[in-house]
Amino acid sequence: DGGITQSPKYLFRKEGQNVTLSCEQNLNHDAMYWYRQDPGQGLRLIYYSQIVNDFQKGDIAEGYSVSREKKESFPLTVTSAQKNPTAFYLCASSIQAALYGYTFGSGTRLTVV
Amino acid sequence: ILNVEQSPQSLHVQEGDSTNFTCSFPSSNFYALHWYRWETAKSPEALFVMTLNGDEKKKGRISATLNTKEGYSYLYIKGSQPEDSATYLCAFGQAGTALIFGKGTTLSVSS
Repeated sequence: DGGITQSPKYLFRKEGQNVTLSCEQNLNHDAMYWYRQDPGQGLRLIYYSQIVNDFQKGDIAEGYSVSREKKESFPLTVTSAQKNPTAFYLCASSIQAALYGYTFGSGTRLTVV
Repeated sequence: ILNVEQSPQSLHVQEGDSTNFTCSFPSSNFYALHWYRWETAKSPEALFVMTLNGDEKKKGRISATLNTKEGYSYLYIKGSQPEDSATYLCAFGQAGTALIFGKGTTLSVSS
């Protein structure tokens, strides 16, 4: 079945450590996206990539980094520079976002301990 | 930063009640408006994509309308059921960039 897979579902990180969240899709979608959700907030865009080897910052990119070496994969690294990393992270992919919308992963909940 | 507003933030209805929510979005550079349903512990699921002013879409007991000139969309649920309990997200689409989401309306339906 085609879909988008995020792993792990739950992740605990010690303060000062970097951590990488995985997002893989087998839908042959060109574009991939990372969003963050906090309680009472909507989905806020961290980074997106419309093509392999290219990506753009979203509204809250500080403290995060991404790579897009393969079409199928768009990992997100939460660095120690991110001041408030505890949140729910959602990955999505699309053929063309504006017209077709997204297929979403099931999310990763990151907690800093 | 473009803003998408949804209201109310949350509401609680009884089984059988009909309800509606609002999504407001910028009226310029409009390409499409998306509605998603997000149930707890699941991925958001697409409900509707709306592109034309005056569009009306329907899926079972759920329908949506679109007014691009004034920048709003309504989502209606007729005869709410407990399984309709979820967060309903709207997202504004512009050409060539990511979707912009509202904060969502969380619906709780009691039996």
